[in-house]
Amino acid sequence: EVQLVESGGGLVQPGGSLRLSCAASGFTFSRHWMHWVRQAPGKGLVWVSRINSDGSYTTYADSVKGRFTISRDNAKNTVYLQMNSLRDEDMAVYYCARGGTATGTVDYWGQGTLVTVSS
Amino acid sequence: QTVVTQEPSLTVSPGGTVTLTCASSTGAVISGYYPNWFLQKPGQAPRALIYGTSNKHSWTPARFSGSLLGGKAALTLSGVQPEDEADYYCLLDFDGIPVFGTGTRVTVV
Repeated sequence: EVQLVESGGGLVQPGGSLRLSCAASGFTFSRHWMHWVRQAPGKGLVWVSRINSDGSYTTYADSVKGRFTISRDNAKNTVYLQMNSLRDEDMAVYYCARGGTATGTVDYWGQGTLVTVSS
Repeated sequence: QTVVTQEPSLTVSPGGTVTLTCASSTGAVISGYYPNWFLQKPGQAPRALIYGTSNKHSWTPARFSGSLLGGKAALTLSGVQPEDEADYYCLLDFDGIPVFGTGTRVTVV
């Protein structure tokens, strides 16, 4: 059974940093791209970042470029999102999601971790 | 910045049919944008329904189908069930940058 479990969310002050983790199990992690997607309270889904299977290629939404860094450790079956210079508008539930085997596919999702940005 | 637009809300009767659409500010939606569709119920994580325009995941109920329709990606629900009441999102991939649609709330009454 595919499982994605996010952790690392919490309360952080504006300008602060946080690192999210997503532990994967139930599939060959090193064969799949991974994504981070966020959802502000009461709002829609917003794609944040993705990383290819070996970690050599990453892309970011313009809203987080230069502040967030996605990375992965295939030995630990974990993908990370380092978030720096956090702003009020970064407050959201952050989901990790698996890229499927077909091009452009996103299939399995974690349950999300809440990031609250407040002074 | 590319914007992907969906109907804000749609209402359908149980057993009825409803079509949701997904439009791009760049022009016609093409198969090369690899349209995905997701369903999200309150308090839950999104769940994938459709990928690559019209392909179903192994868990996707047969009543859900995807297509390209009039320059947009479309998701059709046939024989709607009460449990289909949810928010639906499309996802388009613009040359390596995925963008979610604005979402459609489907109400079953």
